[in-house]
Amino acid sequence: QLVLTQSPSASASLGASVKLTCTLSSGHSSYAIAWHQQQPEKGPRYLMKVNGDGSHNKGDGVSDRFSGSSSGAERYLTISSLQSEDEADYYCQTWAPGMPYVFGTGTKVTV
Amino acid sequence: EVSLVESGGGLVQPGGSLRLSCAASGFTFSNYWMDWVRQTPGKGLEWVANINPYGSEKYYVDSVRGRFTISRDNAKSSLYLQMNSLRAEDAAVYYCAKVMYNSGLSYFDYWGQGTLVTVSS
Repeated sequence: QLVLTQSPSASASLGASVKLTCTLSSGHSSYAIAWHQQQPEKGPRYLMKVNGDGSHNKGDGVSDRFSGSSSGAERYLTISSLQSEDEADYYCQTWAPGMPYVFGTGTKVTV
Repeated sequence: EVSLVESGGGLVQPGGSLRLSCAASGFTFSNYWMDWVRQTPGKGLEWVANINPYGSEKYYVDSVRGRFTISRDNAKSSLYLQMNSLRAEDAAVYYCAKVMYNSGLSYFDYWGQGTLVTVSS
């Protein structure tokens, strides 16, 4: 079964960096995922797609402070030079042909 | 600039019906798969349904199949979700989302702001 696992919360100080992890379930370690940001009281916003080789494709207007990487079954989102507006929930999402879309449970980032 | 604007949410009694709409602009609507995704505090984000660019293929999560119907009007750049036999567990914020497919992954590259559906007597 295709499952994405995320830690519930992460925190870092203003100006620091934080690295979020999304782990793919066994047998799916090569899958790409997408990261989405959801600020309070807003709809989600697509940030980037992260491939199994660590390459990533950012969405329109996404700050250079956001970057993606991979290691094995783990997909990462790193936010550098944290700003107050980065305080949000971050969800990973993936898909396989013929299957419903899968979301992680989200990580709440506190600045 | 891509814009997705949902409407039609509200309070409905269990067993009732509601029709959600999503007005799209800023891209060629008729070229893309479109989806509905919902969010509840308890269950997070859950994919609900999607439809292909022509409206000929439709897929649903098991929990809504047979009760919800997704449709689209490409001439109006609009997406719809007809929700019948609503249950308490259908209460959520419903988002309209545009789908992008790239290198083996289908993902949502634009989202609306959401419309709230409350199911209560």
